[in-house]
Amino acid sequence: ETGVTQTPRHLVMGMTNKKSLKCEQHLGHNAMYWYKQSAKKPLELMFVYSLEERVENNSVPSRFSPECPNSSHLFLHLHTLQPEDSALYLCASSQGVISLTSYNEQFFGPGTRLTVL
Amino acid sequence: SQQGEEDPQALSIQEGENATMNCSYKTSINNLQWYRQNSGRGLVHLILIRSNEREKHSGRLRVTLDTSKKSSSLLITASRAADTASYFCATGSGNTGKLIFGQGTTLQVKP
Repeated sequence: ETGVTQTPRHLVMGMTNKKSLKCEQHLGHNAMYWYKQSAKKPLELMFVYSLEERVENNSVPSRFSPECPNSSHLFLHLHTLQPEDSALYLCASSQGVISLTSYNEQFFGPGTRLTVL
Repeated sequence: SQQGEEDPQALSIQEGENATMNCSYKTSINNLQWYRQNSGRGLVHLILIRSNEREKHSGRLRVTLDTSKKSSSLLITASRAADTASYFCATGSGNTGKLIFGQGTTLQVKP
């Protein structure tokens, strides 16, 4: 157990569905991240939240919409996805920016395996 | 842009042997981290080495960092079948907490 939980663990959805992925961290961290992991590709950073404010959006299509209501919870809202969006979606948290020389070990959840039909 | 690149992409060894994985990166960093991922699961942090450090140990793990060559290596000694997993290096720079991951090395340890 890393202290980061993700639900659901598996999700199958059609291209017209709307669903949400949930991430919760119990570590008192200030920063949370969404990553996409596709086969044969490096881990892709999608969004970064620091103190509940989005600080990075790596050119992610608008069909992915993140939400961070508080420092412990992070959501990824999905709508009108494409089959190529099928992947493992990983959430992570870290202490965040604490000094100019922050060394941020990230703690990952188990991931949500998403399949878009 | 991709920062870390691991080498080899895949490695297969016998139990008891040592496994060495290498990582190269392109820009200045303030730390480099190694993570492990079992199939279809989340990543687990293994070890962090700061840019002013050259070597670090943790149990059977030994990490080296050569900032002049922009490279790092992870050595797993006396490997076990349970070490079978993918291993990723990740580089951190600046003060945003952001990490950039490489493509990973898939290690198989045969019993």
